[in-house]
Amino acid sequence: RKEVEQDPGPFNVPEGATVAFNCTYSNSASQSFFWYRQDCRKEPKLLMSVYSSGNEDGRFTAQLNRASQYISLLIRDSKLSDSATYLCVVRDSGGGADGLTFGKGTHLIIQP
Amino acid sequence: DAGVIQSPRHEVTEMGQEVTLRCKPISGHNSLFWYRQTMMRGLELLIYFNNNVPIDDSGMPEDRFSAKMPNASFSTLKIQPSEPRDSAVYFCATRGGVNTGELFFGEGSRLTVL
Repeated sequence: RKEVEQDPGPFNVPEGATVAFNCTYSNSASQSFFWYRQDCRKEPKLLMSVYSSGNEDGRFTAQLNRASQYISLLIRDSKLSDSATYLCVVRDSGGGADGLTFGKGTHLIIQP
Repeated sequence: DAGVIQSPRHEVTEMGQEVTLRCKPISGHNSLFWYRQTMMRGLELLIYFNNNVPIDDSGMPEDRFSAKMPNASFSTLKIQPSEPRDSAVYFCATRGGVNTGELFFGEGSRLTVL
């Protein structure tokens, strides 16, 4: 069974702080990794892909550790609007048959 | 493009009734997915179509659930008869190509079965 595990939180973080959370995956053959964001009572939306060498998109940094089978998301200078649930998504090598597995998400609350 | 369009947005029904959820995918996207989301189980893939053909329906809970995609512009998910444990948000999502991990989700259909 493919497993993608996340700490559900909530993470309560003051505005302006840096916050990071991880996601672990069980299938060592997993090929692609993503972070999705889901606002309360809304649909999930792609936040960023995660590349092997790590990547940044503004205040967001994603990293992959294949040896330990986890990916991470770091948010710097957090804003109130960053409050959301962050879903870790792993895609296995059999991507033709979807192959996407979603974690249950980490709930982040940025406090003023 | 208007994105993935789902209807109804909300439905409240009684146990035993038939429920039909509808999805209009993004034009040109040839992969369509039906997901169910609950607090306890998160997002679960129910069924996946590629070029209107069902590829993987292993996530469909039981025979009460069925899905169709009669053409590239429309898909339905039907529950008959519905049960209270079917209460969830049902999302339709589409993907433009098999080599991309980006799914575009509709706004979801929130189903409550009493």
